[in-house]
Amino acid sequence: DAMVIQNPRYQVTQFGKPVTLSCSQTLNHNVMYWYQQKSSQAPKLLFHYYDKDFNNEADTPDNFQSRRPNTSFCFLDIRSPGLGDAAMYLCATSRARGGGLNEQFFGPGTRLTVL
Amino acid sequence: AQSVTQPDIHITVSEGASLELRCNYSYGATPYLFWYVQSPGQGLQLLLKYFSGDTLVQGIKGFEAEFKRSQSSFNLRKPSVHWSDAAEYFCAVGPPSYNTDKLIFGTGTRLQVFP
Repeated sequence: DAMVIQNPRYQVTQFGKPVTLSCSQTLNHNVMYWYQQKSSQAPKLLFHYYDKDFNNEADTPDNFQSRRPNTSFCFLDIRSPGLGDAAMYLCATSRARGGGLNEQFFGPGTRLTVL
Repeated sequence: AQSVTQPDIHITVSEGASLELRCNYSYGATPYLFWYVQSPGQGLQLLLKYFSGDTLVQGIKGFEAEFKRSQSSFNLRKPSVHWSDAAEYFCAVGPPSYNTDKLIFGTGTRLQVFP
């Protein structure tokens, strides 16, 4: 089945130690998104790629970076994780940008713990 | 400002009872509307969506939602709840624009189902 895969499902890192989260998709979608979801809160969009075009949200901290080496893969890099970065990180894809016409497909998420 | 409000943080129902989850939005124009469900530790799954046309939308798992323009609402309903429906439910809106697929999520409603 076509799907969105996130690895690892659980990640533990130390305060200030860089960490990379991975997302892959078999849907061949053009758009990939990264969301941060803290406990009992709504998902918050960090950034998205439309093909190779990177779109950062204005309030996303510089500590968060992303790479998309090809259509299938997208990475979230947290350069110096702080305790406040502990959250569930969700990757999503959509076929194209189309005014909400394109459904976003979500992966299962990576839960990040910062010690 | 664009926003989505889910007034009920937590709802508890008995199995077999009917369910209505409320969603109100504030937007400059009629947005695209979505309901997502998130089981514990999982990603988000799309239940249904409204773009235009019939204001009563049918979704998966027996859910439906009704768009009421006059009330800026998009409430989710199910006539008979099953224990497996226990999860977090998010309402989201997308802009009627072809330049972005950014979704704005509500803060979610946690549904608990008693046998």
